Amino acid sequence: DTGVSQNPRHKITKRGQNVTFRCDPISEHNRLYWYRQTLGQGPEFLTYFQNEAQLEKSRLLSDRFSAERPKGSFSTLEIQRTEQGDSAMYLCASSLGRFQETQYFGPGTRLLVL
Amino acid sequence: SQQGEEDPQALSIQEGENATMNCSYKTSINNLQWYRQNSGRGLVHLILIRSNEREKHSGRLRVTLDTSKKSSSLLITASRAADTASYFCATALPSGYSTLTFGKGTMLLVSP
Repeated sequence: DTGVSQNPRHKITKRGQNVTFRCDPISEHNRLYWYRQTLGQGPEFLTYFQNEAQLEKSRLLSDRFSAERPKGSFSTLEIQRTEQGDSAMYLCASSLGRFQETQYFGPGTRLLVL
Repeated sequence: SQQGEEDPQALSIQEGENATMNCSYKTSINNLQWYRQNSGRGLVHLILIRSNEREKHSGRLRVTLDTSKKSSSLLITASRAADTASYFCATALPSGYSTLTFGKGTMLLVSP
């Protein structure tokens, strides 16, 4: 257990529905990252926050995806109008904020879109 | 896109043997990190090696980095069944970005 928690751990939804995932980072970490991992692949970066500011977004993050970190603590990732291609493991990580150091990952949320 | 590529894709060994995994990457980096992922779970950080370092040790792990060849290796000595997992290398660019770019991983199976 790294101290990063994610909820829910599993989500099954029908195509076209909206889903929201939550990530609670390690409390003193001011950087928070979202990654997506599909079967047989490594994680791919989606977006990252420094405190409440969203500083970088991948081109993988289509306009159906939105992420927030309203008070610089927990973060949510919402996917609107889900598609079957959104089925994946969504991983959250946090780090202290020093220049490029260790990221601590949560257990992930596995999404299945039917 | 994947920056790092691990080799081999899968590795099967017996307990007590050593396991070596390799990672190649394409662009200059600030550091390279190795992570372990047990089946269907989150990633656990193993070790970080900076671009000005050539070798690093942590317990039964030994990591080397050759920036001229843009490659790294992870050696696990005296493997145990509990080492069974997927292992990923991840690179951080020197540009100041905080994001990591992962390879596709090596799946290691250690049989008792």
